[in-house]
Amino acid sequence: GQNIDQPTEMTATEGAIVQINCTYQTSGFNGLFWYQQHAGEAPTFLSYNVLDGLEEKGRFSSFLSRSKGYSYLLLKELQMKDSASYLCAVTDSNYQLIWGAGTKLIIKP
Amino acid sequence: DGGITQSPKYLFRKEGQNVTLSCEQNLNHDAMYWYRQDPGQGLRLIYYSQIVNDFQKGDIAEGYSVSREKKESFPLTVTSAQKNPTAFYLCASDPGDPGTQYFGPGTRLLVL
Repeated sequence: GQNIDQPTEMTATEGAIVQINCTYQTSGFNGLFWYQQHAGEAPTFLSYNVLDGLEEKGRFSSFLSRSKGYSYLLLKELQMKDSASYLCAVTDSNYQLIWGAGTKLIIKP
Repeated sequence: DGGITQSPKYLFRKEGQNVTLSCEQNLNHDAMYWYRQDPGQGLRLIYYSQIVNDFQKGDIAEGYSVSREKKESFPLTVTSAQKNPTAFYLCASDPGDPGTQYFGPGTRLLVL
């Protein structure tokens, strides 16, 4: 079957760095996505990786290793507004998006 | 402004009642999707449509129905056959790249 695993919840301190991991097992791979979802709101697109390596976008970076079926989202200089759920999603061989359950990130002052 | 709208924001359903959730987009996207989100779970695909007058079942289509008569509109009906409809429903569209989806604000459905 297809499976995406992320930690359920993480806690970090304002101003610090946090890494959210995602491992996946899917039938085929056509890209990995990270979305941010604030409580009660819709997800918004953060990043896309299709090749191995690190993609940096401001305070957020995303890494992919296709051979290991592994990705992480790195958030630097954490701000209180970063408190949200972070969803990992993979497009499989049929270009369907498979979603992880999300990681709830709690930022403490 | 281009975007996706969903209405209503909150919807209450009585036992045995069918209810319809609206989804409209003015992004000129061909593909549209309906997801269900339950607490602590990821998004689960209910139905999707790649083109007008065509749609496909997702992973949890039972108890739901859709139509796609216009490019801009993709309404979802939650029928009385759906025994556990309480959830957050999200509509999305994409411009042909399935991963970069644009979401509406969602409709929260509650059962009375």
